[in-house]
Amino acid sequence: TGVTQSPTHLIKTRGQQVTLSCSPISGHRSVSWYQQTPGQGLQFLFEYFSETQRNKGNFPGRFSGRQFSNSRSEMNVSTLELGDSALYLCASRTSGKAYEQYFGPGTRLTVT
Amino acid sequence: DQQVKQNSPSLSVQEGRISILNCDYTNSMFDYFLWYKKYPAEGPTFLISISSIKDKNEDGRFTVFLNKSAKHLSLHIVPSQPGDSAVYFCAAENQGGKLIFGQGTELSVKP
Repeated sequence: TGVTQSPTHLIKTRGQQVTLSCSPISGHRSVSWYQQTPGQGLQFLFEYFSETQRNKGNFPGRFSGRQFSNSRSEMNVSTLELGDSALYLCASRTSGKAYEQYFGPGTRLTVT
Repeated sequence: DQQVKQNSPSLSVQEGRISILNCDYTNSMFDYFLWYKKYPAEGPTFLISISSIKDKNEDGRFTVFLNKSAKHLSLHIVPSQPGDSAVYFCAAENQGGKLIFGQGTELSVKP
């Protein structure tokens, strides 16, 4: 099976927090998270490898993540803002090249 | 600071014709360049890549050209088919293994 994400959609209000989940392809130890918004494309949030954050994008500290020993990853956004409305994508790969990344279908977050 | 830019948000092409999608970048240290294709409600899927030491890579109907002096790459689709209608993202991989994406170009191939 491919990369799976949950939930597929959710609606939150400003000030709340949210946790998104990503299950990578079996055997993949790296999980990366991206935010997709119209006009900005896909923006890199962070990458986890073997439970450690390996790379980080330019997002505020309200965005955090973690990875578990089974490589599953969660992303948390606290104190939600309207501008956080976006499609959040995760991608997994082996420790190889970035082009070997496989993306999940994403979680559509709407903040009202 | 948008290091990878796709200046055309949309492109419309007739079936059977060539589609040319463009991408510009600012960092000359990128190692690899990639194109991804994204259908609605699905994650992006890898399409084709090119190493920074090459100037062309071809895979079936898809060819990517890299012009390092101009810091420009392009994706050619020949012939275009209605099933190619999707959003295309170019991306560049830096030496730390991070992928930096452009804003995307929505391609519409009309029958």
